[in-house]
Amino acid sequence: GQQLNQSPQSMFIQEGEDVSMNCTSSSIFNTWLWYKQDPGEGPVLLIALYKAGELTSNGRLTAQFGITRKDSFLNISASIPSDVGIYFCAGQPGGIQGAQKLVFGQGTRLTINP
Amino acid sequence: EAQVTQNPRYLITVTGKKLTVTCSQNMNHEYMSWYRQDPGLGLRQIYYSMNVEVTDKGDVPEGYKVSRKEKRNFPLILESPSPNQTSLYFCASSFGTGGNEQFFGPGTRLTVL
Repeated sequence: GQQLNQSPQSMFIQEGEDVSMNCTSSSIFNTWLWYKQDPGEGPVLLIALYKAGELTSNGRLTAQFGITRKDSFLNISASIPSDVGIYFCAGQPGGIQGAQKLVFGQGTRLTINP
Repeated sequence: EAQVTQNPRYLITVTGKKLTVTCSQNMNHEYMSWYRQDPGLGLRQIYYSMNVEVTDKGDVPEGYKVSRKEKRNFPLILESPSPNQTSLYFCASSFGTGGNEQFFGPGTRLTVL
């Protein structure tokens, strides 16, 4: 099936630094979603993108739906300790079967040194 | 409060002993899905359901069964668990299709000895 390649797999940064992560695919996706998972909990939606080229912000978070529909990035500005967690990209593949599922990336584990 | 609940949250069992993990949502969502999360592999879909009595295989369905007799419930059944099914399992639901925002349960950590 379709796959999403998410990078980096892990990040170790200082508090206050900006963060950038991305997802790429060889297939077209109709929707891109970015989730965050805190330890011991299920993923929670951060940002949803529905149109190629769309750039959306949610507080210190900014995400973009790539113009080719094959990639997306998430930026976090001025990181704070509560940003620690695992970030997942997810996409709805194109085609009839694609409407029935989300494909998830491998995740980016973010660690912040105070 | 709108939520997806899973039970149990933690389970240790032995090879071959049938088990069921329950999932329930109170948001009247049509779509429900089960995922397993393993280190370095992200979330992989096991089974999904578009509505009552409509289920289909995801990417890793081997060794699992599901049923959708009521809209709110979507249990995951392991008829004969094996150690390679040791994982963290998540149930999720969404309005309409699976391509919409999916709301996740808190997870069930399963260990099969």
